[in-house]
Amino acid sequence: GEDVEQSLFLSVREGDSSVINCTYTDSSSTYLYWYKQEPGAGLQLLTYIFSNMDMKQDQRLTVLLNKKDKHLSLRIADTQTGDSAIYFCAESPISSGSARQLTFGSGTQLTVLP
Amino acid sequence: GAGVSQSPSNKVTEKGKDVELRCDPISGHTALYWYRQSLGQGLEFLIYFQGNSAPDKSGLPSDRFSAERTGGSVSTLTIQRTQQEDSAVYLCASSLGGSQYFGPGTRLLVL
Repeated sequence: GEDVEQSLFLSVREGDSSVINCTYTDSSSTYLYWYKQEPGAGLQLLTYIFSNMDMKQDQRLTVLLNKKDKHLSLRIADTQTGDSAIYFCAESPISSGSARQLTFGSGTQLTVLP
Repeated sequence: GAGVSQSPSNKVTEKGKDVELRCDPISGHTALYWYRQSLGQGLEFLIYFQGNSAPDKSGLPSDRFSAERTGGSVSTLTIQRTQQEDSAVYLCASSLGGSQYFGPGTRLLVL
């Protein structure tokens, strides 16, 4: 079955860049997502990438996809204390007729130190 | 515009009781999903509704769990005879075939 893995914790200094990594196993994955979850809140969609792309940039966020290695990363430039949260990587298949439900990693807790 | 809303935001119940959790998707979104997030874990898919099609119930953990979606809009997730292991955050998401947008979740605690 599908599996998505992330490291559990990451700490960075305010102003530095953060890189959160994710690996997945489903070769049919076509949509890959990054969600942010702040304490006591639901999931906020940050960005997503289609598998035919290598990179996507959106303001401070850069997503890199290495499809050969099934590796996805999220880079946050100039990390701020407000970026402290849990970041979830998720993938969904392209198969038509499938539910396209998301398979999530366990989340990476990003802590931004002053 | 309004996002996905869920109610109640928190629910404490006793073991063996039934609970109903409600989800109001984004207006016009045809797809609706329920997920469960247990403490310290990722999200687990439960059930999926798409338009008027039969729901995909493949993620429901037991027959104590059921869900309905009335009129293609509001959905209710029902857990019968709750157990302590049902304690989790239940998240609802909706989409128009693309990205899924999540509600704030219902935090369920079964004592």
